[in-house]
Order: sequence, then structure tokens, then C-alpha cells
Amino acid sequence: DQQVKQNSPSLSVQEGRISILNCDYTNSMFDYFLWYKKYPAEGPTFLISISSIKDKNEDGRFTVFLNKSAKHLSLHIVPSQPGDSAVYFCAASGSSNTGKLIFGQGTTLQVKP
Amino acid sequence: EAGVVQSPRYKIIEKKQPVAFWCNPISGHNTLYWYRQNLGQGPELLIRYENEEAVDDSQLPKDRFSAERLKGVDSTLKIQPAELGDSAVYLCASSLFGTGKETQYFGPGTRLLVL
Repeated sequence: DQQVKQNSPSLSVQEGRISILNCDYTNSMFDYFLWYKKYPAEGPTFLISISSIKDKNEDGRFTVFLNKSAKHLSLHIVPSQPGDSAVYFCAASGSSNTGKLIFGQGTTLQVKP
Repeated sequence: EAGVVQSPRYKIIEKKQPVAFWCNPISGHNTLYWYRQNLGQGPELLIRYENEEAVDDSQLPKDRFSAERLKGVDSTLKIQPAELGDSAVYLCASSLFGTGKETQYFGPGTRLLVL
């Protein structure tokens, strides 16, 4: 049972345009969401997070939107840069504060110069 | 500040052989995690430590996997005997606390291939 799903395995965008990566979840007990970025042969690195009490969080070129009623979140990158090419994972944690993150399958983003 | 250190980076073994992975977390982080990432999937938690105590090992296949975190710092994950299906990347992460509402810092991982 995949509680966090990223249905698009890959995405290709032109440099300077917007990249939108999507993530859906099924567990209504999730109350904190994170995005991680992963380059080849490296571990995932934290990008941005959002609490369920918010519907938007912004950090520079990166914005995460949360739609709790739809159990959907998205990551917007504007403008996209070639260095953003990586695998992006969304992750969720629950209100029980167990520290356990549930990851999606990842979306490979390619930003073309 | 040094990040999470893992060794070895790559390991190739034959099935039924034992293998061990080592992790040194970020200094001062009391929570340590071991994840397994299969090809095309996201990381899945195997075990979480708070200091020396394993507080969540529900996903650890205990018949062949074992882990320890002596003195609440370094940790070792062992597989004995390895099976073909154990081929994956094994990631170690650490965080200050274990709330799930904080950044987990990942090491580069150990890529295991079981032949």
C-alpha cells in the first residue's frame, strides 16, 4: 500500500520555465510534508517542507503548495535551471511524532538548457 | 560541518555471504535512521535509533538483518546471509531529534549488489 505517490516518473522542462512536481497521499494522519532532491551517487538533500496548518510555503525559487482536501501537494520551481535536474522525492510524516518519513517513488526532473 | 559518513560506498558480494555497512552521523544528532532504497523507489525506513535505543525496527527483516548503535554515535547494519533481493542502496540519515518535523540529513549511501 503506497501511502505517498508520485505518479509522474519523469518531467522535462525548458530552462527558465516553471517545473511542477506533484505528490498525492492517502493517509489523513500525515501532518508534515517534505521535498528532497537527489543527485546521482549522493544521498537525498532536504529542499523545503510544509506543515498541514499551512497551504503554501516559499523559499526562493521553490514553493510547495498543500491541498489537504485533495490530499495533494506540489512543488513549483520558478525559474527552472539546469542544475535543478535531479530526482525529487516527496515525503510525509504523521502526527504521532515517530520520526518516520514515508517517501514517494520519486520524479526525475530534467531541465534543458 | 561534516555530513553523514557511510562506508563502504559500493559492495559486491555473492548470495549467502555476510555484509556490513557503517554510518557516522552528524555530531550531536541523537537520532539515526537506516533506510533501504530499491531501484526506482523512494527510501524505506528499516530502523530508527534514539541514542542507543532502537525505537522503531518494525520494518527490519530480523531473520537476516541486525543493527547496533554503540555509545549512541556510530551505527552498523549487518545482513547475514545476503539474498539476491537485498540488492539496493542502503542510506543512513541523522537528525537532532526524532519528531519527523525536522530535516533528516542523509549520507551518500552504500550500493549493494548481491550476485
